Amino acid sequence: QKEVEQNSGPLSVPEGAIASLNCTYSDRGSQSFFWYRQYSGKSPELIMFIYSNGDKEDGRFTAQLNKASQYVSLLIRDSQPSDSATYLCAVTPNSGNTPLVFGKGTRLSVIA
Amino acid sequence: EAGVAQSPRYKIIEKRQSVAFWCNPISGHATLYWYQQILGQGPKLLIQFQNNGVVDDSQLPKDRFSAERLKGVDSTLKIQPAKLEDSAVYLCASSSSTGSEQFFGPGTRLTVL
Repeated sequence: QKEVEQNSGPLSVPEGAIASLNCTYSDRGSQSFFWYRQYSGKSPELIMFIYSNGDKEDGRFTAQLNKASQYVSLLIRDSQPSDSATYLCAVTPNSGNTPLVFGKGTRLSVIA
Repeated sequence: EAGVAQSPRYKIIEKRQSVAFWCNPISGHATLYWYQQILGQGPKLLIQFQNNGVVDDSQLPKDRFSAERLKGVDSTLKIQPAKLEDSAVYLCASSSSTGSEQFFGPGTRLTVL
């Protein structure tokens, strides 16, 4: 059974701080890793993907991957109230067109 | 570029009734997925299509759920008969043949009474 684990939160951070969201996965063969943001009542929106060990930065977002530890994280710098949402971690076994296995998501609340 | 389209956005039915959802993927995307998202959970795959062929339907409750993608573009997901536990958001996603990034439609929120 392939599993993706996330702390459900809520994770509360003050505006302007760094929010750190973590995710572990059970399938050591996983190759592709995604972070989706989901506002309440809306569908998931892709914000980051990472395929190689290390860091990948895009604006205020940084994804970090450590395949040896089966761990992927998302850092949000200068957190804004508009970042308040549920963040879903998802993994796939390869880089092709395969279904995503999602975690339950971490609810982030950025306090103004 | 237009995103993934789904309809209806909301549906309320009684248990044992049938219901159908429609999805139109991003233009040119060969791969289409249907996911079920129960409140408080992450989306869970129901079925994956590559063009008009089924790639993975291992988690589709085939006694009540069916899906088709006859011309390799639009897709329909049907539930017959519905149960209370089918209350969820049904998400359609698509990806291109060259990328693994999946893009989601707005979803259909189903309530079974």
